[in-house]
Formats: sequence, C-alpha cells, structure tokens
Amino acid sequence: EVQLVESGGGLVQPGRSLRLSCAASGFSFHDYVMHWVRQIPGKGLEWVSGITHNSGSIGYADSVKGRFTISRDNAKNFLYLQMNSLRVEDTALYYCAKDHSGAYFYHLDVWGKGTTVTVSS
Amino acid sequence: QSVLTQPPSVSGAPGQTVTISCTGSSSNIGAGYDVHWYQQLPGTAPKLLVFSNTNRPSGVPDRFSGSKSGSSASLAITGLQTEDEADYYCQSYSFDSSPYVVFGGGTKLTVL
Repeated sequence: EVQLVESGGGLVQPGRSLRLSCAASGFSFHDYVMHWVRQIPGKGLEWVSGITHNSGSIGYADSVKGRFTISRDNAKNFLYLQMNSLRVEDTALYYCAKDHSGAYFYHLDVWGKGTTVTVSS
Repeated sequence: QSVLTQPPSVSGAPGQTVTISCTGSSSNIGAGYDVHWYQQLPGTAPKLLVFSNTNRPSGVPDRFSGSKSGSSASLAITGLQTEDEADYYCQSYSFDSSPYVVFGGGTKLTVL
C-alpha cells in the first residue's frame, strides 16, 4: 500500500525552527517528485515546496522562500521540510504529497494525512 | 489571493449538473500547462479527481469530467449525489526562476 506519514509538527514560538518529516512506503520513493502543501484550517490549499527525484530541481512558494528548506533522503525514503524563522502565519496543517512525475512538478497523486504546525507565543 | 481563480461556492440538487471554473493566466494554464482537480471531503486529505485536464484516476466515477480551453479549465459533475459535497481545487504549474505549483482558492460544493 502506498503510504505517506508526516511527523514533527507541534507548537513553536515565532522566530523558532521546526523540522517536518515524511516517511514514504509502498512505492519507489527515489523515482518521484515530492511536495509539501499546507492548509490553514477552514482555508484553501497552498503549495509550499517541491523537490525532484534526485534533488536536482527545487521550488518554493514566495511566502516561504529563504526560510524553509526542502530535502530528501532516498536511501531512507524520507522527505523533510526545515522551517526556520517561523511566523504566526505559518500555522497550518502540512501535507506531504507524491507527484506522478519524477522529473517535473505535475499532479499530486498520493497525500499523507498531515501534521499540524502551530506558531504562537 | 490564489493564482488560479475559482468561484467560492456552487450548489445543486441531487441529480443535477454543476460546473466549477478555474481561471489562470498566460503564466500557467495559458502557457499550455495541464490542469488537475482534487476533491477534499470534510476532515480528510485532498484526493486526486482529474489529472491532465480530462483524465480520471481509476475508481473515480465518470460523473466527474474535466476540460480545458485557453487559460481556463472546468470541472463538471453530473448526476449530483449527496456524497459529492466537498471542497474542490484546481491545480497547475508555472515557472519563473524555478518551478512551482499553483492552486485555485477552492470551491465549496453544496448538494441541496
């Protein structure tokens, strides 16, 4: 069964850091683009970042550029999101998602259940 | 404010047909990039509903259909059922100095 399980969310103060992880199983992780997408409760989806299968191409939303870093460990089947200088507006449910493609950002065909990040003093 | 524009809400009675629009620009849909649609039932993660403008993943009923023209796309749902009540999002792609994914703001479908 194809599965994505996010972890690492929690309550953090503004300005601090947090690292999200996503454990992938049931597919050849190293062959696919992976993404982080977030959703403020009651609001829409916001793409955060994506990374190609070999980490050769990476993209970020303007709202997180310079503060967040996406990475992956193909040997361990893990996707990460290092979030620095967190702001109150980063509070959201963060989803890990698998892309259909390996080399391009295309469509997201598998989603995890998400991990909640709350930024508050 | 989302890059792709969707109506905030649509509604219809059981058995009817509704259409959800998704309007982009020459930077995304109009540049020839495909449009994909997701369904998000209350309290759950999004699920891929239509990909590459018109294609359905296995298991998605043929009541759901997508189309694309120019800088816009549409999702049609025929024979509305109460279980179709959900949020629907369109998604495409763009590129400036690096690649990025764009979503619509989402449309809440209410089945009356």
